[in-house]
Amino acid sequence: EVQLVQSGAEVKKPGESLRISCKGSGYSFTSYWISWVRQMPGKGLEWMGRIDPSDSYTNYSPSFQGHVTISADKSISTAYLQWSSLKASDTAMYYCAREGGWNSWFDPWGQGTLVTVSS
Amino acid sequence: EIVLTQSPGTLSLSPGERATLSCRASQSVSSSYLAWYQQKPGQAPRLLIYGASSRATGIPDRFSGSGSGTDFTLTISRLEPEDFAVYYCQQYGSSPFTFGGGTKVEIK
Repeated sequence: EVQLVQSGAEVKKPGESLRISCKGSGYSFTSYWISWVRQMPGKGLEWMGRIDPSDSYTNYSPSFQGHVTISADKSISTAYLQWSSLKASDTAMYYCAREGGWNSWFDPWGQGTLVTVSS
Repeated sequence: EIVLTQSPGTLSLSPGERATLSCRASQSVSSSYLAWYQQKPGQAPRLLIYGASSRATGIPDRFSGSGSGTDFTLTISRLEPEDFAVYYCQQYGSSPFTFGGGTKVEIK
């Protein structure tokens, strides 16, 4: 079964750093791009960016470029989303999702990681 | 950036009724690279339709997608109780990928 399993919920203070993870299983991790999607409380879905795990090439949405970093470690089939300095406005659910190929639909999705940033 | 506008924002229907959801793009979506997702409360989105009209694996045939260019439609032929949820369209033809704002299908 193709599966993406994300790391658990996080509670952080403004200014702290954070890295959340997304581990793929049941398929060749380096053959499919991984995207990250934000969902703020009660709101819709926003695409943040993606990574090709085979060479760690990344592509960001202009809305998130410079605010987050997407990376991957293909040796352990895991993609990451990280912040160097969190803000309260980063409070959201974050999903990873596998793309079917270059410019492709998202399937499956991880279960989501809730990030809460509060002083 | 391609902006996707979904309408209506909320659709109030009864089980057994037909649901028609619209997704309009600010510019043509290349090669009909448009998908539809269903999201239930507390769950991750689930792929329903890709390529504008192809059903994903395991999706019942009461779900169908149509359209091209800038106008796309998701139709649920007869609503089942488990279909009441929020539906999002997404274009993946050009970066940045974008999602519509969602349509909530609620029980009337």
